[in-house]
Amino acid sequence: GAVVSQHPSWVICKSGTSVKIECRSLDFQATTMFWYRQFPKQSLMLMATSNEGSKATYEQGVEKDKFLINHASLTLSTLTVTSAHPEDSSFYICSASVSGRRSNYGYTFGSGTRLTVV
Amino acid sequence: KQEVTQIPAALSVPEGENLVLNCSFTDSAIYNLQWFRQDPGKGLTSLLLIQSSQREQTSGRLNASLDKSSGRSTLYIAASQPGDSATYLCAAPLQGGKLIFGQGTELSVKP
Repeated sequence: GAVVSQHPSWVICKSGTSVKIECRSLDFQATTMFWYRQFPKQSLMLMATSNEGSKATYEQGVEKDKFLINHASLTLSTLTVTSAHPEDSSFYICSASVSGRRSNYGYTFGSGTRLTVV
Repeated sequence: KQEVTQIPAALSVPEGENLVLNCSFTDSAIYNLQWFRQDPGKGLTSLLLIQSSQREQTSGRLNASLDKSSGRSTLYIAASQPGDSATYLCAAPLQGGKLIFGQGTELSVKP
């Protein structure tokens, strides 16, 4: 089945530094990827939609300059948290839509990245 | 605007019980609905995908149904096991691909 590989699975960084999270589609091409953020005991919150070769579309309230998204190829999307602060500590998950010629085969998710900013 | 709601928020059952998780959505013009499982600190694992033209899907001990007219989907788990303990999420896509999630049902199966 379609697999999205997400790295790193966890990262600890100091305040003020930047962190990059990668998501790769391993056996399919992902024209569109989605980035979510999840707080403890809560559901997923969509942050942005990443389109290959074009600018990402951010949800209302998400800072574009803080959460930089790059989707330079059909198999790789990256999320960079810039000038991280403790309030950016969260669980970040990417996903991709898996579409066949005739129907949508749903969405597949990465394994998530636990970011802790100290 | 599509809204997805799941009840109950939490459920604790003894091992071996059959159980039903509920998902409701406000816009019946969905083209599919997907059920996921999330273990603590992990990503989402897809369990079942039901296309809008389908009534149900089955995988092992799991059966998911879809009733677009009433805006409801159910996930049935037969003969529950401790390994089934996790949070279960249902989600419906909007045009453009955004997934709208329910808040999830946290399931605990006691041995």
